[in-house]
Amino acid sequence: NAGVTQTPKFRVLKTGQSMTLLCAQDMNHEYMYWYRQDPGMGLRLIHYSVGEGTTAKGEVPDGYNVSRLKKQNFLLGLESAAPSQTSVYFCASSQSAGGPGEQFFGPGTRLTVL
Amino acid sequence: AQSVTQPDIHITVSEGASLELRCNYSYGATPYLFWYVQSPGQGLQLLLKYFSGDTLVQGIKGFEAEFKRSQSSFNLRKPSVHWSDAAEYFCAVGARTNAGKSTFGDGTTLTVKP
Repeated sequence: NAGVTQTPKFRVLKTGQSMTLLCAQDMNHEYMYWYRQDPGMGLRLIHYSVGEGTTAKGEVPDGYNVSRLKKQNFLLGLESAAPSQTSVYFCASSQSAGGPGEQFFGPGTRLTVL
Repeated sequence: AQSVTQPDIHITVSEGASLELRCNYSYGATPYLFWYVQSPGQGLQLLLKYFSGDTLVQGIKGFEAEFKRSQSSFNLRKPSVHWSDAAEYFCAVGARTNAGKSTFGDGTTLTVKP
């Protein structure tokens, strides 16, 4: 049981390049989330999904797109990377039953945009 | 809208001393409250949670937290800190009707002196 895994762990991009971050969970959770973490700013929600085939915008969605074609996977895309997107990205998942449950986090992806 | 304030950005305590990390929340109804811990280079891990019932909740690693509705607080405590407790701590609040989402505070970094 791996929990939540993220690929890749580190990445360096040049401004304007694109990339996709992959999140996978093996706990059969309905809800999945993408956050970014910046110093002194805690965790900010980028996008989230309440089930396969659904996505919704979070607090800071601009510049990012997501897809959830399979229940266990949640992809975060950057179409044209900008230096402001340099951050640590965390994926999380939770079970939905009756209210906000504990979120299980992946180990993070450290992205640098030059 | 729900929000979380962690008034202390950084706290330093001596090993063996007691610890209290403050968390204040804003939410109209009964909140779902969480404390997470993040070790350097890692994702977040749940320490404890409060949904209802006994206002003093016990968590892992010897931590406890007390929900005080009148003060809108959910402070985290530990009677005797160990060097391995050095980490960043996040308080989070969720709502039953909010698609499972939680709002996180900006975090408190704990340093433990030998």
